[in-house]
Amino acid sequence: QQQVKQSPQSLIVQKGGISIINCAYENTAFDYFPWYQQFPGKGPALLIAIRPDVSEKKEGRFTISFNKSAKQFSLHIMDSQPGDSATYFCAAIVGGAQKLVFGQGTRLTINP
Amino acid sequence: DTGVSQDPRHKITKRGQNVTFRCDPISEHNRLYWYRQTLGQGPEFLTYFQNEAQLEKSRLLSDRFSAERPKGSFSTLEIQRTEQGDSAMYLCASSRIGEGAFFGQGTRLTVV
Repeated sequence: QQQVKQSPQSLIVQKGGISIINCAYENTAFDYFPWYQQFPGKGPALLIAIRPDVSEKKEGRFTISFNKSAKQFSLHIMDSQPGDSATYFCAAIVGGAQKLVFGQGTRLTINP
Repeated sequence: DTGVSQDPRHKITKRGQNVTFRCDPISEHNRLYWYRQTLGQGPEFLTYFQNEAQLEKSRLLSDRFSAERPKGSFSTLEIQRTEQGDSAMYLCASSRIGEGAFFGQGTRLTVV
């Protein structure tokens, strides 16, 4: 029930391109969906987050698209840069309750 | 520095020894989480506190693991009789209720 599935496992994008990472969830009680960026040897860093009452949230080059009926959400990185090369995790949480549930991660490589 | 602080950053120990890690959360956050992450995997939930109360423990948290958060401030995670399988990055995070968590840089444990 408390599961978040993330795809793809790895992604290679050319500099300047759009990177798209997808996640799907099953538990309709989830009500907060953050994305994390992690560089090797570092802790995950909160990148951007969305609640299901909105369909899209944009912060700079990062956009979350949310489809409540399909129980899917995605991260779009516009104008991808080599410095964006990292592992990205989607996550979900039931508000006021327990733990963050993480997706399996996507290793993103931006080729210069 | 207002971020989550973890100490030590690295720990090498011999199998069978006990180790203790410390986490100082963001001061206004009442939730504190411990996660474990192995290479190439997403963070796995271990336990979390709301203030000083430990509200949930994962099945991953064997009897050799114990976590405390006295007075609802910093937290410690102790591993007794370490095994090679305990080698991992141990991540601490803190949050307000229902929001995304902010992670520390982690403690890298190597059991030799």
